[in-house]
Amino acid sequence: DAGVTQSPTHLIKTRGQQVTLRCSPKSGHDTVSWYQQALGQGPQFIFQYYEEEERQRGNFPDRFSGHQFPNYSSELNVNALLLGDSALYLCASRPVRTGDRDTQYFGPGTRLTVL
Amino acid sequence: AQSVTQLGSHVSVSEGALVLLRCNYSSSVPPYLFWYVQYPNQGLQLLLKYTTGATLVKGINGFEAEFKKSETSFHLTKPSAHMSDAAEYFCAVSEANRDDKIIFGKGTRLHILP
Repeated sequence: DAGVTQSPTHLIKTRGQQVTLRCSPKSGHDTVSWYQQALGQGPQFIFQYYEEEERQRGNFPDRFSGHQFPNYSSELNVNALLLGDSALYLCASRPVRTGDRDTQYFGPGTRLTVL
Repeated sequence: AQSVTQLGSHVSVSEGALVLLRCNYSSSVPPYLFWYVQYPNQGLQLLLKYTTGATLVKGINGFEAEFKKSETSFHLTKPSAHMSDAAEYFCAVSEANRDDKIIFGKGTRLHILP
């Protein structure tokens, strides 16, 4: 049973560019959340997608946007990159309807470096 | 608003000694509480969680935590540290029945001394 997968594992961009990160949830999960983990900090909630809609959002600017596809996979898009966007981006999934609804399972993350 | 405070950004214990990582939370509604572990260059792995019921929760790798509502604490313990326990540990809280948004503490790095 595959867990949460993310791609790419590492990414280097320059200021002002745009980036897209991808996430495939754990099998049987239909809800995806994204977190940003800056160096030396705990993860911070960006947003959560369910039924292809953004359901909840943390304190992040509109430069951060996302999408969920019919197969439950998700993308995180960041426009106009800033140096401060350098971080590990984590995707987490959980089931909504059945199963272990209390627990979010995290992927290995995408390390984004903005130069 | 919910928040988590982890006391001590770095904790060092000798191999075989007791591990105690402290976590206090703030929540205006019944909380769900979690401990996650992160090894270098990896994602987060769930150690244990408290949702309802028994306040002493046992997790993987010999870890356990006790939910103390009166003290708003959820400290993580392990009787005997192993070298493989060296990692970053995060305490986290979410709202009961609505855990889409998890609030994490800043983390505690656990060092194991030989």
